[in-house]
Amino acid sequence: AQSVTQPDIHITVSEGASLELRCNYSYGATPYLFWYVQSPGQGLQLLLKYFSGDTLVQGIKGFEAEFKRSQSSFNLRKPSVHWSDAAEYFCAVGAGPNFGNEKLTFGTGTRLTIIP
Amino acid sequence: DGGITQSPKYLFRKEGQNVTLSCEQNLNHDAMYWYRQDPGQGLRLIYYSQIVNDFQKGDIAEGYSVSREKKESFPLTVTSAQKNPTAFYLCASSPPFFRESSNNEQFFGPGTRLTVL
Repeated sequence: AQSVTQPDIHITVSEGASLELRCNYSYGATPYLFWYVQSPGQGLQLLLKYFSGDTLVQGIKGFEAEFKRSQSSFNLRKPSVHWSDAAEYFCAVGAGPNFGNEKLTFGTGTRLTIIP
Repeated sequence: DGGITQSPKYLFRKEGQNVTLSCEQNLNHDAMYWYRQDPGQGLRLIYYSQIVNDFQKGDIAEGYSVSREKKESFPLTVTSAQKNPTAFYLCASSPPFFRESSNNEQFFGPGTRLTVL
């Protein structure tokens, strides 16, 4: 069965500093990988996704993530955070490339706090 | 505008009562999902449906029931058998996942916070 680990429950960074959120997955085949962001009391918004091809994926809001098969990781990065980036971030893995299988397994999330 | 709507945003229920959460989508997606979110536990899959009139249990289906009579709608009933129903419930939908598709993702609604009194 697939699983996702986000080892950092809570991260605090200064506005303008760089950010890296860690995600490790467990899955036997080539996974579909996702990063979602959630503001308090809201639904989830997709930041970026990886299916195949270039292992460095660009997303919205200036985020990027790198798929490293050897480390089973898909870490999320941003070179300079803004106060509006404060939110909870979820990594998810899908059982791709199974045809028509859309089930996702989510990590427990990382809460990001931005300090001035 | 296409999207997913969940109603109500806040819901209060007395212990022992069943309650139904609404989820509607106008994205023409075949698949729909219900997740439960608790602090520190991320999202856990309750039920999912890949096509009308068919649905499967997720990881935590006990105490919940669903129906999928229309493509657009996937209501979730929290029954009195659910021992700890207070949580934030998220509905999502997605098109079928194809290897070469750029549209492979789940789209989420704004959520319903259920509180049992």
